[in-house]
Amino acid sequence: DIQMTQSPSSLSASVGDRVTITCQASQDISNYLNWCQQKPGKVPKLLIYDASNLETGVPSRFSGSGSGTDFTFTISSLQPEDVATYYCQHYGDLPYTFGQGTNLEIK
Amino acid sequence: EVQLVQSGAEVKKPGKSLKISCKGSGYSFTSYWIGWVRQMPGKGLEWMGMMWPGDSDTKYSPSFQGQVTISADKSINTVYLQWSSLKASDTAMYYCARHAGSGYIDYWGQGTLVTVSS
Repeated sequence: DIQMTQSPSSLSASVGDRVTITCQASQDISNYLNWCQQKPGKVPKLLIYDASNLETGVPSRFSGSGSGTDFTFTISSLQPEDVATYYCQHYGDLPYTFGQGTNLEIK
Repeated sequence: EVQLVQSGAEVKKPGKSLKISCKGSGYSFTSYWIGWVRQMPGKGLEWMGMMWPGDSDTKYSPSFQGQVTISADKSINTVYLQWSSLKASDTAMYYCARHAGSGYIDYWGQGTLVTVSS
């Protein structure tokens, strides 16, 4: 199985800060990676697919980059409504696996 | 509008069987993989497996192979997740999810909470 190592596991930042989360795959997954957001008590929501494509309707402050084994998710200017847990997930090969998640809080 | 509507919360005793459902609408049901994702209380997301409703081709994560069964009834646009003998450790929220063309999850069901307790 391809393992996804996501870091950090938790993060506290101030409104307006630039926030970065990384995800490393245990083997090359090309660009088969997405990022989703799960707010407390809610259903996960797709933000980024194919490593860098912004899902329709998602604010442009969210972005993704990377290919191969190393990926980055960025919020350019943190907003209060961005408090959530963020997950990467690969779909490069079966089984599709998620990263451990990053719990993002406002400082 | 794409929708995945799951069956309601369940409370079961250990050893009992259970089948939960996920009904798709607003798209061609037989043309997308439908997967299941587990979220244990306070924990992260775990991909369990997926089915192509068109021909019932099924892929399981090794972690869940033999523990659950994914099935479908394409005549009613519904995919199922079932257990033959529940354990307390099966207590979790279960989400169904549609996989888009390249494999990423683009739509999620609302979740079904399964509680297994004596």
